[in-house]
Amino acid sequence: EVQLVQSGAEVKKPGESLEISCQVSGDIFTNYWIGWVRQTPGKGLEWMGIVYPDDSDTRYSPSFQGQVTISVDKSISTAYLQWRSLKASDTAMYYCAKTITAEGYNWFDPWGQGTLVTVSS
Amino acid sequence: EIVLTQSPATLSLSPGERATLSCRASHSVRTSLAWYQQKPGQAPRLLIYDASKRATGIPARFSGSGSGTDFTLTISSLEPEDFAVYYCQQRTIWLTFGGGTKVEIK
Repeated sequence: EVQLVQSGAEVKKPGESLEISCQVSGDIFTNYWIGWVRQTPGKGLEWMGIVYPDDSDTRYSPSFQGQVTISVDKSISTAYLQWRSLKASDTAMYYCAKTITAEGYNWFDPWGQGTLVTVSS
Repeated sequence: EIVLTQSPATLSLSPGERATLSCRASHSVRTSLAWYQQKPGQAPRLLIYDASKRATGIPARFSGSGSGTDFTLTISSLEPEDFAVYYCQQRTIWLTFGGGTKVEIK
């Protein structure tokens, strides 16, 4: 069974940096894309970007390009989502998810359990 | 960007009733549409992809139809565990999600 396990909840101040993680088990990490999705009460589900672990090919949503960095460490089957300087508006639940095939723009299944990020002064 | 509009925002039904949820795309997505279910405190779960294909382990009471700009998710007979929020997603231009339909117990 494929499982995506995300790092724990974070509370940060505006301007701080942050990296959250998503470890994949139960499947070949490099065979599928891993995506990140933001969820907020106001804007719902928003796709942020996807990465192909085999060659680190990364695609960003225009809304998040330049705002975050997505990366992977193949050696530990883990994907990362990073912010250099957090804003209060980054407060959200963040999910990682695996695509169902090797195509990049694709459907996501399964998903990680989510990481709640709270940014407040 | 392709905007997905889901209706209604809330659907109040009783167990055993049929649920019909709609997703309308601002531009044609052919059959590149999926449906997800999300329960409180849980991550979304893929139900339907490519407009009408059921994902692994999804019960037959869930079915999807449509193409182009108009899509429907039908739950033939609501079980207690089906009361949740449902989202559609397209993958024709980037990836976007609809705003969701909450199916609540009447």
